[in-house]
Amino acid sequence: SQKIEQNSEALNIQEGKTATLTCNYTNYSPAYLQWYRQDPGRGPVFLLLIRENEKEKRKERLKVTFDTTLKQSLFHITASQPADSATYLCAPVNTGGFKTIFGAGTRLFVKA
Amino acid sequence: NAGVMQNPRHLVRRRGQEARLRCSPMKGHSHVYWYRQLPEEGLKFMVYLQKENIIDESGMPKERFSAEFPKEGPSILRIQQVVRGDSAAYFCASSDERTGSKPQHFGDGTRLSIL
Repeated sequence: SQKIEQNSEALNIQEGKTATLTCNYTNYSPAYLQWYRQDPGRGPVFLLLIRENEKEKRKERLKVTFDTTLKQSLFHITASQPADSATYLCAPVNTGGFKTIFGAGTRLFVKA
Repeated sequence: NAGVMQNPRHLVRRRGQEARLRCSPMKGHSHVYWYRQLPEEGLKFMVYLQKENIIDESGMPKERFSAEFPKEGPSILRIQQVVRGDSAAYFCASSDERTGSKPQHFGDGTRLSIL
């Protein structure tokens, strides 16, 4: 069955450092992979989408990589800030798919 | 341009009652998705609707749960004869086309508590 794995333990880092979050998937051939941010008590907010033919995508301090051979996506936040503290969800989507399956998310804490 | 609106934000029901959760998608969006989230867990897909049609309800329990997205008005997720296990946060998302290359826009959810 399709499975998505994200770091189950919370990630604690110091302000200014780079946070790296991992998303591994199995039994998937996603055409796209989306990353969302979710704050407590709120709905997820879309951050970035990367296509299968793209190796890397950047948006301001965010960078996403997509390795279809390793079946893995990495999400980086450079120069992290306490305001980046949240849960980050990855969601691979198959070609023609509409049933987006989300990973359980990784909780990130950035300490000032 | 209002985002996805869900109401109520909090809903308390006693076992055996009915719960009705409403979702108004973003203007111009005709695709609606419902998810369920338990504390410390990820979002679980329930159902995907496109105006007046249920496209995929494979994540929704066959009994007691139903969803609709009428031509006019919000999408409704209905849970009949609620049980304690139905307590969760229910999120609705919308998009302007079938998801994949387009992001989903989420509401802030309805927190359902069953007494």
